[in-house]
Amino acid sequence: DAGVIQSPRHEVTEMGQEVTLRCKPISGHNSLFWYRQTMMRGLELLIYFNNNVPIDDSGMPEDRFSAKMPNASFSTLKIQPSEPRDSAVYFCASTQGTGADTQYFGPGTRLTVL
Amino acid sequence: SQQGEEDPQALSIQEGENATMNCSYKTSINNLQWYRQNSGRGLVHLILIRSNEREKHSGRLRVTLDTSKKSSSLLITASRAADTASYFCATDKGGAQKLVFGQGTRLTINP
Repeated sequence: DAGVIQSPRHEVTEMGQEVTLRCKPISGHNSLFWYRQTMMRGLELLIYFNNNVPIDDSGMPEDRFSAKMPNASFSTLKIQPSEPRDSAVYFCASTQGTGADTQYFGPGTRLTVL
Repeated sequence: SQQGEEDPQALSIQEGENATMNCSYKTSINNLQWYRQNSGRGLVHLILIRSNEREKHSGRLRVTLDTSKKSSSLLITASRAADTASYFCATDKGGAQKLVFGQGTRLTINP
């Protein structure tokens, strides 16, 4: 059974460009989470969805970040315009129950903004 | 601010020795989880312990939870080189439907 799938695995872009990260959760899971990991700030929750509905976006850093989940098998995290300080590894995770249950992480997208 | 804080930040031991990592948290919880992250990979769930449990085992892993002290420990017995990774604790922070992760302990097992 496939785990959480993220694409691309690596993204290098220039400041000001739009970046779209994609995630496919595990089939049957009803909660999806976007995290950002940096050396300075550790692992931060950006936003999570339950049954495709955004529940908590308090971790989204600013209006340049947006996330959507149009259906149960797909989610995107968009940064527009990107800035060098957005450079990080972005993880998507999903869970069958609530967010407090075991979460299954994807391999991450390493984003570098020049 | 971080809900969970791991201690130590880094730990280096010889293969075969036991490794102990600690996690402290600030607010009440329903459960506490430990995850492992190998370099360049996503986090992998290791074990979940509920607030009404005191100890839990899984293979070479032993987790304890002391809710009165708001702390947990992860013990890895008979360590192997493959255990080299970062280990994170995560809590649900008072029953919230999300997890808050600590900064992690970087464990190095020397052959």
